[in-house]
Amino acid sequence: AQSVAQPEDQVNVAEGNPLTVKCTYSVSGNPYLFWYVQYPNRGLQFLLKYITGDNLVKGSYGFEAEFNKSQTSFHLKKPSALVSDSALYFCAVRDYGAGSYQLTFGKGTKLSVIP
Amino acid sequence: DTEVTQTPKHLVMGMTNKKSLKCEQHMGHRAMYWYKQKAKKPPELMFVYSYEKLSINESVPSRFSPECPNSSLLNLHLHALQPEDSALYLCASSQDLGGPMSTEAFFGQGTRLTVV
Repeated sequence: AQSVAQPEDQVNVAEGNPLTVKCTYSVSGNPYLFWYVQYPNRGLQFLLKYITGDNLVKGSYGFEAEFNKSQTSFHLKKPSALVSDSALYFCAVRDYGAGSYQLTFGKGTKLSVIP
Repeated sequence: DTEVTQTPKHLVMGMTNKKSLKCEQHMGHRAMYWYKQKAKKPPELMFVYSYEKLSINESVPSRFSPECPNSSLLNLHLHALQPEDSALYLCASSQDLGGPMSTEAFFGQGTRLTVV
């Protein structure tokens, strides 16, 4: 079985400060990891993914994430937060090694960037 | 074109009505999905189509009936829904279901469904 944990329901950060949104995962095989962002009453927008290769992945809008296999983590980061980054962020995993078709989402973390 | 288009954006229906949600993509993706999302919750997978065949049905009630007329279109037919079915219904597509070149899923904007 595959699962994702986002331990924080909400993260508050001041504009211009670095932000981190945490994600840990559990899979039996090899993970494919994704971050999505959702603005109010909108669909999910893809930010970045880890499939294989370099553990540091760069994505859209200045976001990046680091895959850490030993800690089974895939935290989302940005060096300098913008007010427009305020949204709901979802981490997701697909257990490729187990042949899973399903994309399992974490419960989401609401990011609020304070001006 | 990296868009998944869903219509309508909003839908209000009575419990005896029959309605359909539509989803379209022109990215050549061969996997398409329906998700249900309640407020402030993650999306929940309902159905998966692969190469126009239903691959996964996550024990969804029969009042929801999916249909994949061709590789670009995905419908969700609704009949005799309950108020608790009110939610945001999201369509998504991906290159395929998995494999070494597995890619991200692209999501539509969703249909906000209210059952009265």
